[in-house]
Amino acid sequence: AQSVAQPEDQVNVAEGNPLTVKCTYSVSGNPYLFWYVQYPNRGLQFLLKYITGDNLVKGSYGFEAEFNKSQTSFHLKKPSALVSDSALYFCAVRDLGNYGQNFVFGPGTRLSVLP
Amino acid sequence: DGGITQSPKYLFRKEGQNVTLSCEQNLNHDAMYWYRQDPGQGLRLIYYSQIVNDFQKGDIAEGYSVSREKKESFPLTVTSAQKNPTAFYLCASSVQAGGQETQYFGPGTRLLVL
Repeated sequence: AQSVAQPEDQVNVAEGNPLTVKCTYSVSGNPYLFWYVQYPNRGLQFLLKYITGDNLVKGSYGFEAEFNKSQTSFHLKKPSALVSDSALYFCAVRDLGNYGQNFVFGPGTRLSVLP
Repeated sequence: DGGITQSPKYLFRKEGQNVTLSCEQNLNHDAMYWYRQDPGQGLRLIYYSQIVNDFQKGDIAEGYSVSREKKESFPLTVTSAQKNPTAFYLCASSVQAGGQETQYFGPGTRLLVL
């Protein structure tokens, strides 16, 4: 069975500082991993995904994520946070070994960037 | 949100009433999905469709029904059997189901019970 954990409900960071939003996963095979962002009363926007290859994935709005197979993690990072990055962030996983298996989403982490 | 529209933005349901949420996409995607979002929880899959005239139950299908008569459209009906329908409903689509396909989301419909 697939599962995703986002261990922090809330992350607070000062504007200009680096940010990290954590995600760990569990799948039986190899994972496809995704990050989405949600602004209030809006749908989810795709940020980036890991399929295979380079462990550091670059995405939209200056975000990047690092895939670590040994730690089963896929943490989202940004070198310098903006106030406009404040939103709800979701990690999602799909098990490569089960074609047709759907996404499992984490519970979300609320990021607050303080001016 | 581009390419996927959901209507209405807000919907009010009376006790015992069925209501239908609209989802339309112009991305020529084969697969479409309905999720329910509750505060503090991740998204939970209600139904998904990999192709026209075919759909499968997700994790929380009870009290919901769908149809997929056209590639562009995947309406969700919240029936009176759904006893706790208050939530934010998100529709998504992808080129195909499964694999490495990215899902793209609509803007959502918030359903409230009167």
